[in-house]
Amino acid sequence: EPEVTQTPSHQVTQMGQEVILRCVPISNHLYFYWYRQILGQKVEFLVSFYNNEISEKSEIFDDQFSVERPDGSNFTLKIRSTKLEDSAMYFCASSPQGISTDTQYFGPGTRLTVL
Amino acid sequence: DQQVKQNSPSLSVQEGRISILNCDYTNSMFDYFLWYKKYPAEGPTFLISISSIKDKNEDGRFTVFLNKSAKHLSLHIVPSQPGDSAVYFCAASAGRGSTLGRLYFGRGTQLTVWP
Repeated sequence: EPEVTQTPSHQVTQMGQEVILRCVPISNHLYFYWYRQILGQKVEFLVSFYNNEISEKSEIFDDQFSVERPDGSNFTLKIRSTKLEDSAMYFCASSPQGISTDTQYFGPGTRLTVL
Repeated sequence: DQQVKQNSPSLSVQEGRISILNCDYTNSMFDYFLWYKKYPAEGPTFLISISSIKDKNEDGRFTVFLNKSAKHLSLHIVPSQPGDSAVYFCAASAGRGSTLGRLYFGRGTQLTVWP
């Protein structure tokens, strides 16, 4: 069964450094998403992406964040200058068509630790 | 942001019995609801969904009930099995026209099924 994959599984970085989290959505899916879960808190939406542009973003997704689909398979989340509070699990998700009855399928996550 | 609430952080059920997980929401614009299951170190796995035009959806051992007037949904697992032990997340979406918007998650309920 096709699945969303994410790399790396764990990323440790120093505060102020840039990180890029990578995702390979399910092939032939058109909508892509990033969510995060800070330890002990709920899963929170960051951004959705369709047709090479941001479809929707949350208040969390400020200028420090950017997303890109650099080629036909990868979908990346970049954090320009990491802060301690960016430490979280970051989940990538994709859905086939992004219509209201679609399901979002999640990857296993990348644990980001900012020191 | 408490638009989706799961008030029980944990539930313990004996194998073979029914597990009932509850979820409340406040946003009347939500029209699509999903349940995800999550094991440690994995991403959320889609379980079952329901559209607001229905009040029940069944898939094998899993049934989701939606009470729109009470803004409440529940997930029933019958019979419960030890492999069902996981964190269960309720999620909701307000369809933006024909597109699936962000998912709003509850905090999750840890289900433990004991033999």
